[in-house]
Order: sequence, then structure tokens, then C-alpha cells
Amino acid sequence: GENVEQHPSTLSVQEGDSAVIKCTYSDSASNYFPWYKQELGKRPQLIIDIRSNVGEKKDQRIAVTLNKTAKHFSLHITETQPEDSAVYFCAASLGGGADGLTFGKGTHLIIQP
Amino acid sequence: EPEVTQTPSHQVTQMGQEVILRCVPISNHLYFYWYRQILGQKVEFLVSFYNNEISEKSEIFDDQFSVERPDGSNFTLKIRSTKLEDSAMYFCASSAGQSQTQYFGPGTRLLVL
Repeated sequence: GENVEQHPSTLSVQEGDSAVIKCTYSDSASNYFPWYKQELGKRPQLIIDIRSNVGEKKDQRIAVTLNKTAKHFSLHITETQPEDSAVYFCAASLGGGADGLTFGKGTHLIIQP
Repeated sequence: EPEVTQTPSHQVTQMGQEVILRCVPISNHLYFYWYRQILGQKVEFLVSFYNNEISEKSEIFDDQFSVERPDGSNFTLKIRSTKLEDSAMYFCASSAGQSQTQYFGPGTRLLVL
């Protein structure tokens, strides 16, 4: 089955700096890659997703890039703010409605004021 | 904005007891999922459900687990004989269709003593 590796496990950046989180996946058939943000004790919330027919997607301060050949995708957050502090999970899926998401282990992002 | 809801928010049970976790997916969604998250670890897929039957299940979803959609709105996860290692946060999710976002509920924290 699919395996998703995520790095780093903890990332501390100064407020206003950029943060980059990287994930690799093993199943070349995967074609849907969402990113979820989870604050302590709360539900995972989708922040951005990308499908394999595009290489990059941007939404304000958040962008995701996908390299299908290398089987890796990355989350980029620019101009980080204190409210960006959370655990971020990448995930991969075959993209069918019934397909479950395979999550990475998460990155604890800490924004230092 | 519609949200997935789950009850109860917390459940404490004795080892060997049966528990039923309840979810109300977003009303026009067709696909339903259960995930679990052991404290401090990644979110893990358990099962997906479509058209009143299980579509996909993981290795975790063994014979002690079952799912049901007893009526037009509820989606339940039953654990027949709970074990200590079943202690986790259980998330329900739903999506509108293929390659559609999976929206997560707030979770039920299950503690097995």
C-alpha cells in the first residue's frame, strides 16, 4: 500500500519568515495530495490540495508543489504568522471517492514571535 | 457552512465493552470514512463507505469493527469488544464524490480502561 514520509517533524521559524514542509509518497498511482492543519485537540482542516494534473497551486500565503517523477510534494507558507502554529499533515490518495487518505506523521510548526 | 458532527465528544469504557461512535456527515455527501489518531501520532484510515456498503478498509479494521448507516443521516462505527490499544481519537469524514475534499468531524476521544 501507499506510504507517506513527511519531514521535518518539528519546524521552528521566525514570524514573517517562510516555512517549507516536504513529503514523499511511494505509490505512483496516487493522484490526490491534500494538506491538513490540525490545532491542538481539534479536527484536521484542509488548507490546500493538489491533483496530479498540475505541478503547483497557490492560495494567498500557501502554496503546494508536486513533482510526480520524484514522487514528492511540498507545502510552502510565506510571511508566517502566530496563528500558523499547528501540526500540518500531508496525505496521498488514489483520488477515487472511496479511497482513504494515507497521512504523513505530521510537522509541528512553531512560529516564534 | 455545513460541518460533520460527531457524538459523543468523549467516551470512557471498560476493556471488553462494546462502543458505538456516531457521526452525521454533511447532508449531500456520498462517501463516508472513519479514521483514528492515537495520541501524538498520525491520522490512520480505517474504512470508507459508499452506497450502503464498505468500499475499502485498512488492516486496522478487523472483525471487531463494523460500520452502519442506520438511517438517512447517521453513520456509526461499532467496536465490539474494546481493547486498551483502541484508545484514540476517532474522526468521521465525508466527501461529495471522487477527488473531492474529505471534511473531518471534531472527533470522539475514546479511552479504554
